[in-house]
Amino acid sequence: GQQVMQIPQYQHVQEGEDFTTYCNSSTTLSNIQWYKQRPGGHPVFLIQLVKSGEVKKQKRLTFQFGEAKKNSSLHITATQTTDVGTYFCAGLGNFNKFYFGSGTKLNVKP
Amino acid sequence: DAGVIQSPRHEVTEMGQEVTLRCKPISGHDYLFWYRQTMMRGLELLIYFNNNVPIDDSGMPEDRFSAKMPNASFSTLKIQPSEPRDSAVYFCASSLGVLVDEQFFGPGTRLTVL
Repeated sequence: GQQVMQIPQYQHVQEGEDFTTYCNSSTTLSNIQWYKQRPGGHPVFLIQLVKSGEVKKQKRLTFQFGEAKKNSSLHITATQTTDVGTYFCAGLGNFNKFYFGSGTKLNVKP
Repeated sequence: DAGVIQSPRHEVTEMGQEVTLRCKPISGHDYLFWYRQTMMRGLELLIYFNNNVPIDDSGMPEDRFSAKMPNASFSTLKIQPSEPRDSAVYFCASSLGVLVDEQFFGPGTRLTVL
């Protein structure tokens, strides 16, 4: 069945380094949403992309939706310790099925 | 608005007991989602409702799990009988829509089945 996978599963970076997580779906998605979950917290919405090839920026975060609407990426420039958490992509696939990605856990060393 | 409200926040029970988790979505939101999160399996969508009607329940693990939404302001997730492998954090989330709107998550219920 359709799945949404994210890579890498874990990423450890030094503060100031860049970070990228990739989201890949086996089939086309109507949209891509990104969420961040801090340790011990609940997922919090970051952004949504809807159009093929769309790019959006939020300060140090850049989000892209692939041309085929089957993949997406989140890039963080110059990570800070406040970026620590797990980043999830999510999207609506075929037959009204909503998928959450497997998540990428980011650790930032000061 | 107070956001999505879940109760209880923590639940400890013994294997075989019935467990009921409760959720009050944000007023006016038409969609309600139930998720389960564990270290092993990550965040899993169990079921979601649109206007109180279940749309996709393919994530519900087995017959021991059931979810209801009797009205627009209340939903329950029931596990009967509970097993130790059901131990997890259960999140409820609500949204205005599925295609264009973000999901607002509740604080979660941490369930421990002994």
